[in-house]
Amino acid sequence: LAKTTQPISMDSYEGQEVNITCSHNNIATNDYITWYQQFPSQGPRFIIQGYKTKVTNEVASLFIPADRKSSTLSLPRVSLSDTAVYYCLVGLTSGGGNKLTFGTGTQLKVEL
Amino acid sequence: GAVVSQHPSRVICKSGTSVKIECRSLDFQATTMFWYRQFPKQSLMLMATSNEGSKATYEQGVEKDKFLINHASLTLSTLTVTSAHPEDSSFYICSARDQTNQPQHFGDGTRLSIL
Repeated sequence: LAKTTQPISMDSYEGQEVNITCSHNNIATNDYITWYQQFPSQGPRFIIQGYKTKVTNEVASLFIPADRKSSTLSLPRVSLSDTAVYYCLVGLTSGGGNKLTFGTGTQLKVEL
Repeated sequence: GAVVSQHPSRVICKSGTSVKIECRSLDFQATTMFWYRQFPKQSLMLMATSNEGSKATYEQGVEKDKFLINHASLTLSTLTVTSAHPEDSSFYICSARDQTNQPQHFGDGTRLSIL
């Protein structure tokens, strides 16, 4: 399973754009990259998933370079409610099994 | 869409009690469900993979006789913590996936406290 490396923590202020980068040097050809958000005492919530280039949805963008050895989650104009732990995961989404290994995650703290 | 419901949200019981946790996919059929455990200030740790109609696959170090998993239908998987002890106290979270190329969706977790 591909191992991921993220910053342990990040601080930001309301209204700023936050970019969290994840390294996954040994990502396999069939692996997708998925980001989750987790609040205390809740299950992780799906944010975005991608395979290559750029993916955008209503809450975030995901940038994946051509070599796919890293990815960057971009949160535009964060608010206090975006304070949470963000996990980057890589894994085989198609086929059976689809085990995902959670790394340490990034604790994002947003202040006024 | 893609809602996963987990019940109960919190359990407090005496040592030696067996506790059952249910995980349901409400608006999709889940061919595969996963069970995780999370200790305070730590990341999620995968315990087992549950496939509908077959035996669960446990991760290394997870006792299959201690943590019984049943995935009897495409919308329900259960985790039973047998003869629970204080060291089993943790936050248990399930996830489900409906089909290939789709992300896992997680329940809101069960806080288990063994006295």
